[in-house]
Amino acid sequence: TQLLEQSPQFLSIQEGENLTVYCNSSSVFSSLQWYRQEPGEGPVLLVTVVTGGEVKKLKRLTFQFGDARKDSSLHITAAQPGDTGLYLCAGAEYSSASKIIFGSGTRLSIRP
Amino acid sequence: KAGVTQTPRYLIKTRGQQVTLSCSPISGHRSVSWYQQTPGQGLQFLFEYFSETQRNKGNFPGRFSGRQFSNSRSEMNVSTLELGDSALYLCASSKNRGSGAGANVLTFGAGSRLTVL
Repeated sequence: TQLLEQSPQFLSIQEGENLTVYCNSSSVFSSLQWYRQEPGEGPVLLVTVVTGGEVKKLKRLTFQFGDARKDSSLHITAAQPGDTGLYLCAGAEYSSASKIIFGSGTRLSIRP
Repeated sequence: KAGVTQTPRYLIKTRGQQVTLSCSPISGHRSVSWYQQTPGQGLQFLFEYFSETQRNKGNFPGRFSGRQFSNSRSEMNVSTLELGDSALYLCASSKNRGSGAGANVLTFGAGSRLTVL
């Protein structure tokens, strides 16, 4: 079974600061997704990256898929309190693309 | 369009009992995946169903089972409940058609929170 490790586990920063969350694995994934989960709700998809080296931007969020398709990063510029939540990376296994496994998550708190 | 609906939202059981959770996917979505979420272990993959067949399975004991009906609705069952089964159980559906970025995007329900006493 492929494993995904996220770092850091917890992050508390001041509004306006920048941050980066990392998602790493020793295995190759066919695609990688990022989700955000808020209390009392299920995770909600932010982005999917498919091609090695791919970079996608979603307003102040920048997502990158590693060249070798084993890792990904999420960078938030000028964080806002509304960015607070649990960020999860998820990879589609090569052997079965419909099996999506999740990283342990990064709990982000933005202080006003 | 309606999202993924999970019932019940909350339930309390005692050790040794069994529980059945239900998931209604988004209309047109044929794949349903189940996950267990706990503070210590994060989101753990239980199983995935497609066209009434279990297509993928995680590393959970046989006490955890599921099924999918012809209308794509799915149920999961946990028998002989243990304290450690207390968790948020999440169901997600996807179109699962073809390949590419949108092929296996998961849409989650709000979950069923199970407490085992």
